[in-house]
Amino acid sequence: SQQGEEDPQALSIQEGENATMNCSYKTSINNLQWYRQNSGRGLVHLILIRSNEREKHSGRLRVTLDTSKKSSSLLITASRAADTASYFCALWDSNYQLIWGAGTKLIIKP
Amino acid sequence: EAGVAQSPRYKIIEKRQSVAFWCNPISGHATLYWYQQILGQGPKLLIQFQNNGVVDDSQLPKDRFSAERLKGVDSTLKIQPAKLEDSAVYLCASRGLAGGLRELFFGEGSRLTVL
Repeated sequence: SQQGEEDPQALSIQEGENATMNCSYKTSINNLQWYRQNSGRGLVHLILIRSNEREKHSGRLRVTLDTSKKSSSLLITASRAADTASYFCALWDSNYQLIWGAGTKLIIKP
Repeated sequence: EAGVAQSPRYKIIEKRQSVAFWCNPISGHATLYWYQQILGQGPKLLIQFQNNGVVDDSQLPKDRFSAERLKGVDSTLKIQPAKLEDSAVYLCASRGLAGGLRELFFGEGSRLTVL
């Protein structure tokens, strides 16, 4: 399977703490993206990191990419209740196919 | 700019019945995707259109699923006859061509329950 793999599958933290989730993959990539999905809703694009980039920031989000280890991580700093959602990585591979991870379910406890 | 529109949001049917889902992508987006998302899993691509042509339908169960995008704008996904395992959320997404391999824009999804 070409599916990206995410860990942990589920993460529960206190509001204000940082949340880190990881994505590993098997193929060469053009870029890697992270999406958020609130319960019962569609997916929303958060951030894109190109294969020649190592780190990218957007507000409270920080994404890193290590192409030698074929892995990426998403860090959410100072978590809020509204960050409760599932987070998915998706990567464009060299065959122009979009490969999705199974997601990390994040719960922020008040 | 209007987002991706999908309808219906919810549908409950008996097995062996038929159902159709509609999607209107973001204006000007040439690429349209239909995904199936089973609870607790990532999206699974069913079919990808480029304008009104099919780019990839390798994972579409063609004995029961069909999809069309006749005028290269909105699209319909049909299931006939439905099975219990078709219970899932059907997500439509679109992507513009400008800028290369960029993000997809998703609709809110159509949740199907097959009884």
